[in-house]
Amino acid sequence: SYVLTQPPSVSVALGQTARITCGGNNLGSKSVHWYQQRPGQAPVLVVYDDSDRPSGIPERISGSEGGNTATLTISRVEAGDEADYYCQVWDSNSDHPAVFGGGTQLTIL
Amino acid sequence: LQLRASGPGLVKSSETLSLTCSVSGGSISSSNSHWVWIRQPPGKGLEWIGTVFYRGNANYSPSLQGRLTLLVDTSKNQLSLRLHSVTAADTAFYFCARRFGDFGYYFDPWGQGTLVTVSS
Repeated sequence: SYVLTQPPSVSVALGQTARITCGGNNLGSKSVHWYQQRPGQAPVLVVYDDSDRPSGIPERISGSEGGNTATLTISRVEAGDEADYYCQVWDSNSDHPAVFGGGTQLTIL
Repeated sequence: LQLRASGPGLVKSSETLSLTCSVSGGSISSSNSHWVWIRQPPGKGLEWIGTVFYRGNANYSPSLQGRLTLLVDTSKNQLSLRLHSVTAADTAFYFCARRFGDFGYYFDPWGQGTLVTVSS
């Protein structure tokens, strides 16, 4: 089945820019979605279809995709951004179509 | 739209786990309503376990095929999950969510998960 690879952890200083990557074979042919999961809470969709933001998600959170890598960028990070972030794709050709990356823990220094 | 998963919390090994997901703020049987169940072992990542459609048909993760049943109860506006012959490996937070999108589906919103612990 399809595999998405994320770094286990990313650290960034308060107010700086965090970038979380998600890699997969021929990822550019798929729509990539991103979720934020704060401790003890359910995941929340923060980016869908590579770069679109749901209503209520601040503009400083953005997504991009190029080649085999998608990137979630969080500008001017705040303490509240400390969370786990997961990328996800839907692989229609698979009998296990919903694929998540392993997750990245974002730590604010 | 809000979802909330609920269940017994503790299930004995080899028994059947039963969960419900209550949906409010929208109809579970509106056209093209698709719903998913996702689980997360404590401290680990997310795993899709199945999709159920508003007409009642469902797709299951191959790893759970044969043990898992997903149902829709339109009279109660609820989803339900039944997982048979549970083991410690089924200990996890269980989430329900709406599936959205045209081709590259995503999940929004998610219900607050419910923790299920399988005991021996």
